[in-house]
Amino acid sequence: GAVVSQHPSWVICKSGTSVKIECRSLDFQATTMFWYRQFPKQSLMLMATSNEGSKATYEQGVEKDKFLINHASLTLSTLTVTSAHPEDSSFYICSAGRGGTDNSPLHFGNGTRLTVT
Amino acid sequence: SQQGEEDPQALSIQEGENATMNCSYKTSINNLQWYRQNSGRGLVHLILIRSNEREKHSGRLRVTLDTSKKSSSLLITASRAADTASYFCATDVHYGNNRLAFGKGNQVVVIP
Repeated sequence: GAVVSQHPSWVICKSGTSVKIECRSLDFQATTMFWYRQFPKQSLMLMATSNEGSKATYEQGVEKDKFLINHASLTLSTLTVTSAHPEDSSFYICSAGRGGTDNSPLHFGNGTRLTVT
Repeated sequence: SQQGEEDPQALSIQEGENATMNCSYKTSINNLQWYRQNSGRGLVHLILIRSNEREKHSGRLRVTLDTSKKSSSLLITASRAADTASYFCATDVHYGNNRLAFGKGNQVVVIP
C-alpha cells in the first residue's frame, strides 16, 4: 500500500485564494520531504526540501513567500500556494525517503492537480 | 546543477517486445535511480544502481550504468500493456540528502 499520502488529489480554486496541500508519511518518520512541480508531459522540477522543525530549503527561482512549506511533525509536510494565479496551475507531488544517508529510494504521493481559475 | 536527461523518446511497441530507454547526466553521481509514472499519478521507484555498479537486474528490468560516459539505460523485457507509463531517471544532486534531479522522461506505450 501507499506509504506516502498526499491530499487533496485535485483542487480548483479562484485566483487570489490560497491552497494547502498535505503530504503524510504513513508508516515511517520523515525528517525530510521534497516538493516537486510537474507540467504536462514534462519532468519533475524540485521546488524545495522540507525539513522537520526548521525552515525549508528552496531551489533557485522558487519564491518562498509564494510557496509556503511547513514541516511541523515527522509525518506531515504542507505546501501552501498563496495568492494563487492561473500560472500556478500545475501538478504538485511530494516525496519522502525512509532515511539513511545513501539516497535511499523515495516514496511519492499521488500528486495534487491544482487548477486556478 | 547536474541533471539526468533522457533522450527525448516516445516509444510505441507491441506487447512482448523489449523497450530500451537511455539517460545521460552531467556530473559525478553517487547513484542513479529509475522511476515510473502512470498518467496523473505519483512516481514509483523501480531500481537503483550505485556508481560502482555496471549492471543491475530486477525482474524484467535491466539497468546499465556507464560512469565514463555518464549514461544509463533501462531495458524492459517482454513488455506488457501494463508497462505503459512514463519512465524517468534521477540522479542525486548531493550525496546523502535525497535531492534528486529528474530527467525529461520517456513515454512508453505498449500495444496489446
